[in-house]
Amino acid sequence: GAGVSQSPSNKVTEKGKDVELRCDPISGHTALYWYRQSLGQGLEFLIYFQGNSAPDKSGLPSDRFSAERTGGSVSTLTIQRTQQEDSAVYLCASSLVNGPWEQYFGPGTRLTVT
Amino acid sequence: AQKITQTQPGMFVQEKEAVTLDCTYDTSDQSYGLFWYKQPSSGEMIFLIYQGSYDEQNATEGRYSLNFQKARKSANLVISASQLGDSAMYFCAMREGLEDDKIIFGKGTRLHILP
Repeated sequence: GAGVSQSPSNKVTEKGKDVELRCDPISGHTALYWYRQSLGQGLEFLIYFQGNSAPDKSGLPSDRFSAERTGGSVSTLTIQRTQQEDSAVYLCASSLVNGPWEQYFGPGTRLTVT
Repeated sequence: AQKITQTQPGMFVQEKEAVTLDCTYDTSDQSYGLFWYKQPSSGEMIFLIYQGSYDEQNATEGRYSLNFQKARKSANLVISASQLGDSAMYFCAMREGLEDDKIIFGKGTRLHILP
């Protein structure tokens, strides 16, 4: 079956530009997560969507970061006025809400801000 | 305070030996879940094993087992008979509460299996 997909796989952008990263979760998974992973580092939680509930935005590092999830499925993470420190791999994951709770991860989007 | 602590940034282990990767967690919830993920150099995140806080027995999945010590808030991953393909980053993670599925990850341990 189809897993979590993310696009683009790689994105190079100039400092100050806006970028949009897309995540298609596994069909039927109502929980969706965004994480950021800098080179050689762990996963930094960014935002979490569960069904129709208000998203948990507690991990977003600044107001330049925002995310939405349309129709309870596809999610878009937007970074405005990108900075060099935004360079990282952005990982999306989805899971079932009522268990089992393991997350299924997408391949990630590697963002490079020049 | 960190929710998930992995104190070993890197480990070197001889092939075929058993490996224990440490993980301690911090929560005041009675209901929570603990996970281990593997991330090879390819970058994909691979789910390995899950332990619920109310599970009385340690979780096992093939060569992986989770040494769950609730009173010590410890959830170490044990890999038996290590293989070269086990070389990767390993992340411990926790989900708190019954309603909140937010999952927080530790900083990881890089495991190197030596031939």
